[in-house]
Amino acid sequence: GQSLEQPSEVTAVEGAIVQINCTYQTSGFYGLSWYQQHDGGAPTFLSYNALDGLEETGRFSSFLSRSDSYGYLLLQELQMKDSASYFCAGLNTGGFKTIFGAGTRLFVKA
Amino acid sequence: NAGVTQTPKFQVLKTGQSMTLQCAQDMNHEYMSWYRQDPGMGLRLIHYSVGAGITDQGEVPNGYNVSRSTTEDFPLRLLSAAPSQTSVYFCASRESGNTIYFGEGSWLTVV
Repeated sequence: GQSLEQPSEVTAVEGAIVQINCTYQTSGFYGLSWYQQHDGGAPTFLSYNALDGLEETGRFSSFLSRSDSYGYLLLQELQMKDSASYFCAGLNTGGFKTIFGAGTRLFVKA
Repeated sequence: NAGVTQTPKFQVLKTGQSMTLQCAQDMNHEYMSWYRQDPGMGLRLIHYSVGAGITDQGEVPNGYNVSRSTTEDFPLRLLSAAPSQTSVYFCASRESGNTIYFGEGSWLTVV
C-alpha cells in the first residue's frame, strides 16, 4: 500500500523560510507532488519531483530523496497569502493512482 | 477554458437517498478521479478511471459507484447516502503527466 506522512501544522513568520517534510511508504512509487489549498478552495499544483534532487519554481522548491523515502517543500520569503494547507502526494508506479498525505496547515504570522 | 466542472456545489441529502455528483472536463484528459476530503484526513481517493470504459477502486470506494462512458464525463453515484458520507468531494483530471487539475468541490451533507 501507500501512505504519506507530514506534520499537521507549521507556523512561521512573514519573510522567513519554512520547510514542510513528507515521508512515504509505498510499494511502487513514481514521483512526489506538492499541492496548495486555501480554505474553501480546491487544491492547486505546486511542484513535482520524479528524480532525486531539488526542483525550484520561484519562491517554492521541492526536494526528493527516493533512497530515504523522503521529500520536502521549501517556501522562501513567506507572505501572508502563503497561509494555506500543503499536501504531498505520491503517484504509483503504474501512473494510475495519486495518493495524498493528510496535509500540513501553514500559519504565516506578521 | 472551463477545466474541471463539478455540480452541484452544495447538496443536503437525507439518509438513504441516492444522488449523482456530476463531473466534466474539457481538457481531453485520460485520467479522472474522485476524492473526498474530511477535516484532518487530507484527500482520499474514492474511484479513478484511466480512460473511457475503464474504472477502478481507490482507497475508500464503499458506498460509491462510478462510470466513464465518455472521456469528458465521470459521474459519482451515492447509492444510499449515510451520515458518514458527509464530506467535500473533489473531481480531478490529469494527462499522462503528474499535474492534477481539481474541480471546485461539492459540499455534501447527509442528515
